Amino acid sequence: EIVMTQSPATLSVSPGERATLSCRASQNVNSDLAWYQQKPGQAPRLLIYGASTRATGIPARFSGSGSATEFTLTISSLQSEDFAVYYCQQYNDWPTFGQGAKVEIK
Amino acid sequence: QVQLVQSGALVEKPGSSVKVSCKATGGTFGGYTIVWVRQAPGQGPECMGRIIPILNIADYAQRFQGRVTITADKSATTVYMEVRSLRYDDTAVYYCARSQRFCSGGTCRKRADWFDPWGQGTLVIVSS
Repeated sequence: EIVMTQSPATLSVSPGERATLSCRASQNVNSDLAWYQQKPGQAPRLLIYGASTRATGIPARFSGSGSATEFTLTISSLQSEDFAVYYCQQYNDWPTFGQGAKVEIK
Repeated sequence: QVQLVQSGALVEKPGSSVKVSCKATGGTFGGYTIVWVRQAPGQGPECMGRIIPILNIADYAQRFQGRVTITADKSATTVYMEVRSLRYDDTAVYYCARSQRFCSGGTCRKRADWFDPWGQGTLVIVSS
């Protein structure tokens, strides 16, 4: 099983600032990586797939980068609705998720 | 646009079984794969298994093999997930989601298991 490790576990950011989340795969997953946002009591919401392609309706302030084992999700200017938990997920092999990274208000 | 609607919350005893449904509204699953993902309290999501409804072919994560069964009805509009021999640590929210792994003519798109849309989730509590 491919293990996905996210860092940091919690990120404290002020509205309007930039947030950068990292995700590391235990082996090469090429660009087979997705990012999701989850708010309390809701299902995850797809943000990014193919490491860098935004899903339909996702604002341009969300961007993804990376390949192989190192990936990054950047939120360029945090809005109030962006404070949530973010998960990365690889699909190069049986799908596995990271443990999540919480973006909280500073 | 297809939406996924799941059955309601359940409380079950250890050792029993639970069956959760996931219905497509606004369309059918077509050739898409449907996956079941569970999320224990405070944990990340975990992919349990998936099914191609039009072919009724399922596969499972190794740790759930033999204890979980995923099926689809013939109309390919509802998918079911059964978990047997429930344990306390099966307490979780169970989600169905559509994978972009599309199958046609016996061939499935490879490396396309990102998930959108998702069902609303079904809370299963295992308690004596």
